[in-house]
Amino acid sequence: RKEVEQDPGPFNVPEGATVAFNCTYSNSASQSFFWYRQDCRKEPKLLMSVYSSGNEDGRFTAQLNRASQYISLLIRDSKLSDSATYLCVVSSSGGYQKVTFGTGTKLQVIP
Amino acid sequence: NAGVTQTPKFRILKIGQSMTLQCTQDMNHNYMYWYRQDPGMGLKLIYYSVGAGITDKGEVPNGYNVSRSTTEDFPLRLELAAPSQTSVYFCASSYSSGGLSYEQYFGPGTRLTVT
Repeated sequence: RKEVEQDPGPFNVPEGATVAFNCTYSNSASQSFFWYRQDCRKEPKLLMSVYSSGNEDGRFTAQLNRASQYISLLIRDSKLSDSATYLCVVSSSGGYQKVTFGTGTKLQVIP
Repeated sequence: NAGVTQTPKFRILKIGQSMTLQCTQDMNHNYMYWYRQDPGMGLKLIYYSVGAGITDKGEVPNGYNVSRSTTEDFPLRLELAAPSQTSVYFCASSYSSGGLSYEQYFGPGTRLTVT
């Protein structure tokens, strides 16, 4: 089983739609969770951290389910500018906080 | 703050040549990383460093070397370039404390072609 797994997509959704991505992780000792966004041929950029209680930033909501070992990202009212690849990132705790990136889920928002 | 800077932005190498990719961060982060990303693929960790003077191998270290003599700089050396090293290289840094790591900040990348 991969350490971090994401559905590669692509997810093709119309403008204004709501779309959700899930990401599963295998290490139950993981402590930090993030969603990054990567545009074509650009560097990944932090979209949001994921907290145990869940968190929201405008149209974006992230949630963590430790029991089932997955995190989710919900995008409401999709915009054309949301088209990108979304990377799930999981970090363990301890001496070296190993950071593992998922391979990403591609989102294409269609006019 | 400039964040994480990388040079050069683009480079074409001939097979067998060597080069150093430069990476500098001005955020006083203790952790630094080098990744490569092949077209349409995910990030693969090449090397990482948890502080000045300390480096360790990641997932795909063969053909590369690193050093970390200062907190700010983390150069990546390619020896005897091969076509399989054609890729985009990203440097990143993050802060870690108390057993937790925080988000990584990435440089803009170096696009390397080996022919």
